[in-house]
Amino acid sequence: QKEVEQNSGPLSVPEGAIASLNCTYSDRGSQSFFWYRQYSGKSPELIMFIYSNGDKEDGRFTAQLNKASQYVSLLIRDSQPSDSATYLCAVRKPGYSTLTFGKGTMLLVSP
Amino acid sequence: NAGVTQTPKFQVLKTGQSMTLQCAQDMNHNSMYWYRQDPGMGLRLIYYSASEGTTDKGEVPNGYNVSRLNKREFSLRLESAAPSQTSVYFCASMGPDLAKNIQYFGAGTRLSVL
Repeated sequence: QKEVEQNSGPLSVPEGAIASLNCTYSDRGSQSFFWYRQYSGKSPELIMFIYSNGDKEDGRFTAQLNKASQYVSLLIRDSQPSDSATYLCAVRKPGYSTLTFGKGTMLLVSP
Repeated sequence: NAGVTQTPKFQVLKTGQSMTLQCAQDMNHNSMYWYRQDPGMGLRLIYYSASEGTTDKGEVPNGYNVSRLNKREFSLRLESAAPSQTSVYFCASMGPDLAKNIQYFGAGTRLSVL
């Protein structure tokens, strides 16, 4: 089982819809969870991080963490064409200063 | 406020040539990282430096060496480049708050080995 798994996509949604991106991880002791957005040809940029079970909202973005199910998700409300990018899930295991990244999910938002 | 700066942005090498990728951060961060990104493979950690004077191997260290020159600079060296090292290389840095572990990335170096 891969440490961090994401559906590669592409996930296609119409403008204005809710995009739901999912990530599962294998190490039950993982403590910190991150969502990075990466536009084509650009570097990853952090958009959300979450440490505790439940939801964390920031503008149109909501991160959801369920440690019992080893599942973290990112919801994007009112999706815009400018949200079209690859979204990378990253996880930090306890005692490590490094992150393990999933392979990313490509999101396409059509006007 | 430059953040993380990588040089060069693009490079073409012939098999067997050597080169050094440079990375510098101006955020006074302790930890620095080198990743490679290949299509369909996500980001894979090559080497990292948790603090000045220390370096450790990541997931894919073979064929690479690193130097943490000082707190600001962390370089990645390819001694004898191979076509399998054609990739996009990202440097990242992270501040002292391990609990947050937020990494900030440079713009990347696009390397082709012919």
